[in-house]
Amino acid sequence: AQSVTQPDIHITVSEGASLELRCNYSYGATPYLFWYVQSPGQGLQLLLKYFSGDTLVQGIKGFEAEFKRSQSSFNLRKPSVHWSDAAEYFCAVGAGTASKLTFGTGTRLQVTL
Amino acid sequence: SQTIHQWPATLVQPVGSPLSLECTVEGTSNPNLYWYRQAAGRGLQLLFYSVGIGQISSEVPQNLSASRPQDRQFILSSKKLLLSDSGFYLCAWSGGLNSPLHFGNGTRLTVT
Repeated sequence: AQSVTQPDIHITVSEGASLELRCNYSYGATPYLFWYVQSPGQGLQLLLKYFSGDTLVQGIKGFEAEFKRSQSSFNLRKPSVHWSDAAEYFCAVGAGTASKLTFGTGTRLQVTL
Repeated sequence: SQTIHQWPATLVQPVGSPLSLECTVEGTSNPNLYWYRQAAGRGLQLLFYSVGIGQISSEVPQNLSASRPQDRQFILSSKKLLLSDSGFYLCAWSGGLNSPLHFGNGTRLTVT
C-alpha cells in the first residue's frame, strides 16, 4: 500500500522568504501526486498535481513542486511567501488513481511579518 | 462551474444519537463522490466512495455508513454515535478515477 510522509509538522517563515515543504511517498510505480492547502475550518483546495511528463509542475498562488523519482519526493516550493499563505498543507498520493488518495499528516505553515 | 455543498457546518451530538450529514454537487453529472474524515494531527482518512447511485465502497470498518440516493447526493450516517466519531468530515467529488478531488467546506462534528 502507498504511504506519504510529511516530516515537518510546523514551519515558520518570514514574509518574503522562500519556502520548501517536504513530502516523501512510498509506492512501487509512478504515482499521482498532489498538494492541497487548507485554511482553518475550511475544506481543501488543490494547489497542483503531477500525473506524468514534466517533473516540475506549476500550481496556483505561485507554488510549484518537483517530482524526484530517485528520492521518492514531491516537495512544494514558493520563492516568496505572503502572509496569506499561512495555512495547513497536505501532500497526497494516488496509486493508479487520482481520486482515491492517501494523505500525509500535513504541515502547518506560519508566516511572520 | 461545479460546486459542492456540505451541511451542517458544525454539529454537536450526544453519544448514542443518530447522525446524518449531507453533501450535494452541482454543475456536473455522474461524479465520483467521497467521504473523508480528518482527525487532529492524523491527516485525512478515506471512509467511503461511490462511483454511481446506490454504489458504495467502504474503506475502513466503522460505526458509519454512506448512501447515494441520487446522482449528486451523498449522505453519511450513523445509527448511534460514539465519542470516537468526533472529527472534521469532508465530502469531495471528482470527474472520474483519473481526475483530482474537489472538497467541500466540511462539517465539524463533536460527540459529547
